[in-house]
Amino acid sequence: DTAVSQTPKYLVTQMGNDKSIKCEQNLGHDTMYWYKQDSKKFLKIMFSYNNKELIINETVPNRFSPKSPDKAHLNLHINSLELGDSAVYFCASSQGQGIKNEQFFGPGTRLTVL
Amino acid sequence: GDSVTQMEGPVTLSEEAFLTINCTYTATGYPSLFWYVQYPGEGLQLLLKATKADDKGSNKGFEATYRKETTSFHLEKGSVQVSDSAVYFCALTNAGNMLTFGGGTRLMVKP
Repeated sequence: DTAVSQTPKYLVTQMGNDKSIKCEQNLGHDTMYWYKQDSKKFLKIMFSYNNKELIINETVPNRFSPKSPDKAHLNLHINSLELGDSAVYFCASSQGQGIKNEQFFGPGTRLTVL
Repeated sequence: GDSVTQMEGPVTLSEEAFLTINCTYTATGYPSLFWYVQYPGEGLQLLLKATKADDKGSNKGFEATYRKETTSFHLEKGSVQVSDSAVYFCALTNAGNMLTFGGGTRLMVKP
């Protein structure tokens, strides 16, 4: 069973479009995250949700809107896509927010904006 | 804010060579330290971790020791294999369990 899954794996779209990436975890964790990995492999936190509530929102354009319908899901909706949004987006989850709590990552969604 | 610096790659080694990937950090308080590995086309996997000073994390022949005096967490392996070829990320968590990553180091192991 896949612990953290993301759909789609690849997403190719035009500038200006709106798209969503879905994430689901079956680990029973209460905290979920979105990370962005750019073309140089640099990884940066975007958002963190605990029990469906936003707890971390780094400097991310408000075109990005996370939605957590329940503890097992954290979706990422992106409006008015721009070329610079092209990246690999990783979802992750953990049990609790303590600094010792391991985060488990999904396989990533490669977004290409043309 | 917190930051992690790791050596730039790529690091190219022959099979059975000794590996060191340097990692240093800047953080307030007492962060936990991690090494993640990303194999080609895959997501990140936790390789090892250490949660307090002088702890040694180890897994699959890889080791790293949390050195608070030098703010370092260098990754080592005594004998690398072709299957170890991947990108390695050093990271830390502090308040809020937000992972701060280094820039990643690509390791290429040749037969």
